[in-house]
Amino acid sequence: AQSVSQHNHHVILSEAASLELGCNYSYGGTVNLFWYVQYPGQHLQLLLKYFSGDPLVKGIKGFEAEFIKSKFSFNLRKPSVQWSDTAEYFCAVTPGAGANNLFFGTGTRLTVIP
Amino acid sequence: GAGVSQSPSNKVTEKGKDVELRCDPISGHTALYWYRQSLGQGLEFLIYFQGNSAPDKSGLPSDRFSAERTGGSVSTLTIQRTQQEDSAVYLCASTPSGQTWDTQYFGPGTRLTVL
Repeated sequence: AQSVSQHNHHVILSEAASLELGCNYSYGGTVNLFWYVQYPGQHLQLLLKYFSGDPLVKGIKGFEAEFIKSKFSFNLRKPSVQWSDTAEYFCAVTPGAGANNLFFGTGTRLTVIP
Repeated sequence: GAGVSQSPSNKVTEKGKDVELRCDPISGHTALYWYRQSLGQGLEFLIYFQGNSAPDKSGLPSDRFSAERTGGSVSTLTIQRTQQEDSAVYLCASTPSGQTWDTQYFGPGTRLTVL
């Protein structure tokens, strides 16, 4: 069965530190990959997505993610975090053909200390 | 413009009662999804509606769960004979076309507590 793994459950960083959140998936075919973010008290919203082309994807607020097909990974990165990045981050995957729904990871809670 | 809205925001019910959760998608969005987020878990897919096609119910956990979408817009998720394990946040999302690469726009969720 399709699965998405986020190995970091809670990450605590100081402002200006670099961030990398891991995401691995188990599906072997063509995939669409997403990172969603939920800021405190807000709805889930899209951070970035990959569905074709350049495997290095840039999203909002300085975030980027790299699709590495051989590693079944789509890790999220940011060179310098801010206090306002405190949120929960979810990786999600859909197979590229015929699938109707997103498969989500369990989420990573990021706390940035000022 | 208006986003996805859900009601109620919170629902507390007694075990064995039926509950209805409502979702109003973004106007013009043809696809609508329901997810469930239990404590410490990721989002679990429940059901998907696309236009006038038959819904994909493959994620519904039991026959106590059902959903309908009237007029291609508003959707209601019904849970019959609620159990304590049904306690979760129920999220609704809509997309413009239902393509697998579409961004999903989420509502604020309904927090269901079954006592």
